[in-house]
Amino acid sequence: AQKVTQAQTEISVVEKEDVTLDCVYETRDTTYYLFWYKQPPSGELVFLIRRNSFDEQNEISGRYSWNFQKSTSSFNFTITASQVVDSAVYFCALSGGSSNTGKLIFGQGTTLQVKP
Amino acid sequence: EAGVVQSPRYKIIEKKQPVAFWCNPISGHNTLYWYLQNLGQGPELLIRYENEEAVDDSQLPKDRFSAERLKGVDSTLKIQPAELGDSAVYLCASSSPLAGGPRKQFFGPGTRLTVL
Repeated sequence: AQKVTQAQTEISVVEKEDVTLDCVYETRDTTYYLFWYKQPPSGELVFLIRRNSFDEQNEISGRYSWNFQKSTSSFNFTITASQVVDSAVYFCALSGGSSNTGKLIFGQGTTLQVKP
Repeated sequence: EAGVVQSPRYKIIEKKQPVAFWCNPISGHNTLYWYLQNLGQGPELLIRYENEEAVDDSQLPKDRFSAERLKGVDSTLKIQPAELGDSAVYLCASSSPLAGGPRKQFFGPGTRLTVL
């Protein structure tokens, strides 16, 4: 069975603080993809990143960075110098198997509140 | 480029009434997904279409839910009759092999359904 766990339900930080959102996944597939999506109050999920299971290289995009560790089945997301506009619900998701079904398994989400 | 369009954005109905949601994917995207998102949860896949064919509807409650994508473009999701527990956000997403592949899904803003 595939499962994604985001243990942090809500996080509140003050602007300019760094914050890390945790994601732990379970899958028996050797080929899989991991994602992070952002859901602002408008409701639309916005794609942030996709990593495949064979690429454990960490990635940085501006203030965002991702740490993928297969040994601990984790794919954590860090926002550096947070801003009020980062306030949203963030979802980690998993898509497993080599059949390219595209089915995403989402975690329960972490609500991030950045206070000015 | 226009994103995924969904309508209506909000719908309030009484239980036992029928309701329909409409989705127009990004132009050229052959794969269309309907997700159900309960409050405080991540989205869960209801059905996936490849062009006009439903290739994964295992999570669709077929006693009251139906969906169609007659010409392989826009799609309609229907509930008849609606129950109180159907109150949720219904998200539509689309993807294309030419736009990141089946695992990079673009989401619409969703339809928030309230059943009274």
